[in-house]
Amino acid sequence: DQQVKQNSPSLSVQEGRISILNCDYTNSMFDYFLWYKKYPAEGPTFLISISSIKDKNEDGRFTVFLNKSAKHLSLHIVPSQPGDSAVYFCAASGGTSGSRLTFGEGTQLTVNP
Amino acid sequence: GAGVSQTPSNKVTEKGKYVELRCDPISGHTALYWYRQSLGQGPEFLIYFQGTGAADDSGLPNDRFFAVRPEGSVSTLKIQRTERGDSAVYLCASSLDRTQPQHFGDGTRLSIL
Repeated sequence: DQQVKQNSPSLSVQEGRISILNCDYTNSMFDYFLWYKKYPAEGPTFLISISSIKDKNEDGRFTVFLNKSAKHLSLHIVPSQPGDSAVYFCAASGGTSGSRLTFGEGTQLTVNP
Repeated sequence: GAGVSQTPSNKVTEKGKYVELRCDPISGHTALYWYRQSLGQGPEFLIYFQGTGAADDSGLPNDRFFAVRPEGSVSTLKIQRTERGDSAVYLCASSLDRTQPQHFGDGTRLSIL
């Protein structure tokens, strides 16, 4: 079963606007969530994380929101830049899965100049 | 550089052959993970080392796959009697400890002909 899902395979936004990437999970034991960015032929690059004891974490242009009751998290990028164009993966860990990460399928973000 | 290093970057071999993939983690990182990523999907967990020991090998698909980390630093993923379905990008990640974000290498693209 797919415990972490990213339902939008792609997202296109204009430069300077907000990008919102969404992620849903089913395992209520997950307690740590991360977002990674991936360029072609490179490994995933860590962006930002959030623990389940928080509902928001901010780092520069990136903010992650966690809604535990809905088992939903989102990544906001403001303002979006063309260099942000990449595949974004959300990942989760915790509970019986320990520290190993369970990833979503990814969302291709394209920021148009 | 100071990141996770994986060699080779590309490996092409024939079905039935044996392959070894190497991972050199970030210096001082005690936790090391292997993942496998197929086209259009997120990375899938294979095995986790804490120090020299495999703390969780539940993601290894079958007994043709084996990994070692004899001195608690470099790790080698070994695949025997390779099959075409083993073709994927094999990613290695390391972290300071199991509570910290994982940092990925650029992966080894394995192609089984």
